[in-house]
Amino acid sequence: DIQMTQSPSSVSAFVGDRVTITCRASQDISKWLVWYQQKPGRAPKALIHAASSLQSGVPSRFSGSKSGTDFTLTISSLQPEDFATYYCQQANSFPYTFGQGTKLEIK
Amino acid sequence: QLQLQESGPGLVKPSETLSLTCTVSGASIGTNIYYWGWIRQSPVRGLEWIGNIYYNGNTYYNLSFKNRVTMSLDTSKNQFSLRLNSVTATDTSVYYCATYGNETTAFDYWGQGILVTVSS
Repeated sequence: DIQMTQSPSSVSAFVGDRVTITCRASQDISKWLVWYQQKPGRAPKALIHAASSLQSGVPSRFSGSKSGTDFTLTISSLQPEDFATYYCQQANSFPYTFGQGTKLEIK
Repeated sequence: QLQLQESGPGLVKPSETLSLTCTVSGASIGTNIYYWGWIRQSPVRGLEWIGNIYYNGNTYYNLSFKNRVTMSLDTSKNQFSLRLNSVTATDTSVYYCATYGNETTAFDYWGQGILVTVSS
């Protein structure tokens, strides 16, 4: 199975800050990487698919990029509603696998 | 607007079978736009993909469940189902049904989730 390793596991930031979360795949997954946002008691919500394509309705302050097997989610200017847990998921091959999550907390 | 809703028992005894149903509104499960999937989440194991089923009944399961999983479609009710047999306490999780978009290759729409506890 492909392992997805996220870093950091948690991060604190101020409203307005720029934040970057990284996900590393244990092998090549091409561009098939999805980022999700999850708030307490809610289902995950897809933000970005195919590494860098914004899901419909997601604010443009969210962006994704890829470098080899490293993937990055960037939030350009944190808003209060962005404080949540973020997960990556590889969609390259079965079984689909998720990262362990990055909790973004308000400072 | 596509919506999904999980239903089923919240408590299952060890060694028995967990059975959940996902009712879909806003789209036909007979469409070839989506796969229909199940994912579970627990504090210990995180998010785990269980499997997907396609409109034609083709299934793709996570082999880590060791052949305990069966998924099916009921087009007359616009529902799809999950059966997980021989459950143990480690199967205690929140179970989500979701759509997997062929174009986005992401789980685009999710149900609210249902907590299933395995306990005697």
